[in-house]
Amino acid sequence: SQKIEQNSEALNIQEGKTATLTCNYTNYSPAYLQWYRQDPGRGPVFLLLIRENEKEKRKERLKVTFDTTLKQSLFHITASQPADSATYLCARGNQGGKLIFGQGTELSVKP
Amino acid sequence: DVKVTQSSRYLVKRTGEKVFLECVQDMDHENMFWYRQDPGLGLRLIYFSYDVKMKEKGDIPEGYSVSREKKERFSLILESASTNQTSMYLCASRTTGTGLQPQHFGDGTRLSIL
Repeated sequence: SQKIEQNSEALNIQEGKTATLTCNYTNYSPAYLQWYRQDPGRGPVFLLLIRENEKEKRKERLKVTFDTTLKQSLFHITASQPADSATYLCARGNQGGKLIFGQGTELSVKP
Repeated sequence: DVKVTQSSRYLVKRTGEKVFLECVQDMDHENMFWYRQDPGLGLRLIYFSYDVKMKEKGDIPEGYSVSREKKERFSLILESASTNQTSMYLCASRTTGTGLQPQHFGDGTRLSIL
């Protein structure tokens, strides 16, 4: 079955550093991956989408990569700030446009 | 901005009760989804609806049903609530087309079944 796996351990980094979160998938490459941010007590908010044929996508301080050889997507936040602290979810596209979500990685940026 | 509103932020019910969770979106989206979110398990799809009166089972539909009588409203029904249905429930909507379109989520209903 298709799965999405994210590091369940929380990531703690210092303000100003680059945060890197990992998303691994199984079986065939999805046509796209989506990344969401979720704050405590709130619903997820869409951040970025990357297609299978795109190696890299950027949006302001965010960068996402898609490596079909490693079956992996990396999500980078450069010059991280305490306000970036949240849980980040990766999701793969599925048949019929449904999404399969990973369990999310909690990021904590310390001042 | 798209707004997805879930009727309750917190809900406490008893086992065996019939429970209704309501979700309303204001962007005329065709697609709507119900997920549950549990620690360590991520979001799991319960049901989704491509359009009015259309529904399809997701990955964990057992013990749930849904209703979509109007385009803007998607209801999740727990036929006979059980303690293992204690969870965070999230509703989402999306415009039609391919799955490339982002899903827009409500802020969730934290449901406790006693």
